[in-house]
Amino acid sequence: AQSVAQPEDQVNVAEGNPLTVKCTYSVSGNPYLFWYVQYPNRGLQFLLKYITGDNLVKGSYGFEAEFNKSQTSFHLKKPSALVSDSALYFCAVRDSWAGSARQLTFGSGTQLTVLP
Amino acid sequence: NAGVTQTPKFRVLKTGQSMTLLCAQDMNHEYMYWYRQDPGMGLRLIHYSVGEGTTAKGEVPDGYNVSRLKKQNFLLGLESAAPSQTSVYFCASSYPEVGQPQHFGDGTRLSIL
Repeated sequence: AQSVAQPEDQVNVAEGNPLTVKCTYSVSGNPYLFWYVQYPNRGLQFLLKYITGDNLVKGSYGFEAEFNKSQTSFHLKKPSALVSDSALYFCAVRDSWAGSARQLTFGSGTQLTVLP
Repeated sequence: NAGVTQTPKFRVLKTGQSMTLLCAQDMNHEYMYWYRQDPGMGLRLIHYSVGEGTTAKGEVPDGYNVSRLKKQNFLLGLESAAPSQTSVYFCASSYPEVGQPQHFGDGTRLSIL
């Protein structure tokens, strides 16, 4: 079975400071990992993904994420936060194990608020 | 580009009523999905389809039915609505290759009284 955890419901950060949104996962095989962002009254938008290769993945809007296999984590980061980054962020995982369905499992979401 | 379009955007139903939510995508995606989003629970998969004429159950399929008669459309039906089905429903679509991201519609906000 695959699962993902976002341990923080809410993250507050001052504009210009670095931000981190945490995600840990559990899979039987290798993980395919994704980050999505949701703005109010909108659907989820894809930010970045890790499938294989470099552990540091760069995505849209200056976001990046680091895959850490030993800690089973995939934390989202940005060097300098903007007020416009305030949104709900979701981590998602899919297990590479052939027996699993082609389904993503989403975390419960982390509300990021960037304070001016 | 329209992407993924969901209709209606809002709906209020009474317990026991039925309705169908429509999802249409113009990206020629093979895979389509229906999720529900509830506070603090993230997104949970209701049903999905890996191609025209095929459907499969997700994590929370009870009380819902789906159909994929055309590649571009994926319908979600509630035969007898219950208050527990009050939620925001999202449709998504994707290419089948590993790692392809899902593209989401803007959701349908459904209240069951």
